[in-house]
Amino acid sequence: AQSVTQLGSHVSVSEGALVLLRCNYSSSVPPYLFWYVQYPNQGLQLLLKYTSAATLVKGINGFEAEFKKSETSFHLTKPSAHMSDAAEYFCAVRGWNQGGKLIFGQGTELSVKP
Amino acid sequence: NAGVTQTPKFQVLKTGQSMTLQCAQDMNHEYMSWYRQDPGMGLRLIHYSVGAGITDQGEVPNGYNVSRSTTEDFPLRLLSAAPSQTSVYFCASSYSAGGNTDTQYFGPGTRLTVL
Repeated sequence: AQSVTQLGSHVSVSEGALVLLRCNYSSSVPPYLFWYVQYPNQGLQLLLKYTSAATLVKGINGFEAEFKKSETSFHLTKPSAHMSDAAEYFCAVRGWNQGGKLIFGQGTELSVKP
Repeated sequence: NAGVTQTPKFQVLKTGQSMTLQCAQDMNHEYMSWYRQDPGMGLRLIHYSVGAGITDQGEVPNGYNVSRSTTEDFPLRLLSAAPSQTSVYFCASSYSAGGNTDTQYFGPGTRLTVL
């Protein structure tokens, strides 16, 4: 069985500060991992995904995430927060050949203070 | 391409009423899914389909029915609405079973309130 845990339901940072959103996964098979962002009253947009090609994955809007198998983690980072980054972020996992069956974490709401 | 579209955007039902949430995609994707989003619980899979005529249950299927007669459409039916089904519903689609390059694309959501 697969599962995802996001540590911290709310994270608040100052504009220009480092953003770190934590995600740990559990999977009995090599996982595919995803980060999605949801802006208020909108659907989910893919930020980045890990598909075993490289452990450091770069996504849109300056975000990146590093897959660490030994720590079963896939934390999302951005060096310098912008006000427009305020949103809810979801980590998700699926196994190979499990199209259509994403398992999501609980979500982390990111606030950015001026 | 319009991507994944959902109708209606908002809906209010009374307990016991039935309704269908519509989902369509124009990307010729094989896989389609329905999720519900509740505060503090992320998104949970309700039902999914791996192609026309083939559907299967997800994590929280009770109270919902689906069918897939065409590649493009994947409607979600609430048989007898209950207040516990108050949620935001998202439809998603992806090209295939999930190889290295496969990604799920999400619709804008339907916000459902059951009184």
